[in-house]
Amino acid sequence: GENVEQHPSTLSVQEGDSAVIKCTYSDSASNYFPWYKQELGKGPQLIIDIRSNVGEKKDQRIAVTLNKTAKHFSLHITETQPEDSAVYFCAAQLDYKLSFGAGTTVTVRA
Amino acid sequence: KAGVTQTPRYLIKTRGQQVTLSCSPISGHRSVSWYQQTPGQGLQFLFEYFSETQRNKGNFPGRFSGRQFSNSRSEMNVSTLELGDSALYLCASSFSQGGEKLFFGSGTQLSVL
Repeated sequence: GENVEQHPSTLSVQEGDSAVIKCTYSDSASNYFPWYKQELGKGPQLIIDIRSNVGEKKDQRIAVTLNKTAKHFSLHITETQPEDSAVYFCAAQLDYKLSFGAGTTVTVRA
Repeated sequence: KAGVTQTPRYLIKTRGQQVTLSCSPISGHRSVSWYQQTPGQGLQFLFEYFSETQRNKGNFPGRFSGRQFSNSRSEMNVSTLELGDSALYLCASSFSQGGEKLFFGSGTQLSVL
C-alpha cells in the first residue's frame, strides 16, 4: 500500500508568518492528494486538494504544491491567524484508498 | 445542509463485547467510508460503501464489518472487542466513491476496558 510521511510533527509560528508542511509518498501511481484540518473534538475538514496532473493550487491564504518526480507535496499557509491553529493531515490516494500522514500540530502564537 | 452525523458520540465497552456504530451521510452522498483514528497509528482506512456495496477494504481483521442501507446510512460493527480497538471511529461521506472530497463526522469515541 501507500506510505505517507509528514513533517514536521509540530509547528509553532507567529501570527502573520507563513507555515509550511511537507509530505512524501511512496507509490508513483498515487494520483490525488488532499489536505485536511482537524480541530479539537471535530472530524477532519478538507481544506484543499490537488491531482497529479496539476503542479500547484491556491485558495486564498492556502496553497499546495506537488512534485511528482520527487514524490512530495507541501501545504503553504500565508498570513497565519489564530484560527489556523489545528492538526493538519496530508493524504495520498492509491487504488481508491486514502493513506494519511501522521499529522502536524500547528500553533499560531498571537 | 446537515453534515455527517455519527451516533453515539461516546461508548464504553468491555473486552469481548461487540459494538455497532451508526453514520448518517450528507443528503445526496452515496459513499460512506469509515476510518479509525488513534494517537499511535493515526488515521487508518477501514472500508468504503457505495450504493450498499463494499467497494474497498483496509487492512483490518474480520471482526470489523459494516453495511450500508438503501438510504445511504451506514453502520459499522466490531465484534469480540479488544483493548486495542479503543479509538475514535470516523465516518466520512462523499458524492462519489474512491476517497475524494470527504466530509467527516465528529466521530464516535470508543473505549474498551
